[in-house]
Amino acid sequence: SQQGEEDPQALSIQEGENATMNCSYKTSINNLQWYRQNSGRGLVHLILIRSNEREKHSGRLRVTLDTSKKSSSLLITASRAADTASYFCATLTGTASKLTFGTGTRLQVTL
Amino acid sequence: NAGVMQNPRHLVRRRGQEARLRCSPMKGHSHVYWYRQLPEEGLKFMVYLQKENIIDESGMPKERFSAEFPKEGPSILRIQQVVRGDSAAYFCASSPPSVHENTIYFGEGSWLTVV
Repeated sequence: SQQGEEDPQALSIQEGENATMNCSYKTSINNLQWYRQNSGRGLVHLILIRSNEREKHSGRLRVTLDTSKKSSSLLITASRAADTASYFCATLTGTASKLTFGTGTRLQVTL
Repeated sequence: NAGVMQNPRHLVRRRGQEARLRCSPMKGHSHVYWYRQLPEEGLKFMVYLQKENIIDESGMPKERFSAEFPKEGPSILRIQQVVRGDSAAYFCASSPPSVHENTIYFGEGSWLTVV
């Protein structure tokens, strides 16, 4: 079963708007990571947030983590056409050393 | 600092042939992971290796698939007697030993097409 589930599955916005993607997971985590994947390309790491952190920023990206609700959100502010991509959350749990990925959110930013 | 290097980027194989995918981790990284991504899906874990040691292969199909990470050279994911259902993108990732505190970095992937 999926550890991470992103919501929505697809999101279409206009350039300049903000995009919010959510991720829910089932078991306790060590950390949660967000990745971006452009079509036909590899994954680019965006942000890592640890289980004892609640919020992190990186440029136009803001990630929050609510361990009580087992959820995280990724906010992209002032979106650009170049932000068009799929976004995945991935969790690292317990003593496991493998990331478990969600199904991703496909973001389309139009001019 | 070079990232995770995978080759080939694209590979076409006929049914029944063998596919070998190579991965060189980032400098200083001793842990390698292989993931598979089917079209329009997320990544599924296959195997986690350290040098000369398979740590977790819980995501590997029981037959035809094998992985190694020798003392010298890249990690190899080997698929024998490929079938159409093996067509996917295969991603390698690497991390330092303290994986719980560090980011896992991915390569650009190897796209396998079985015809």
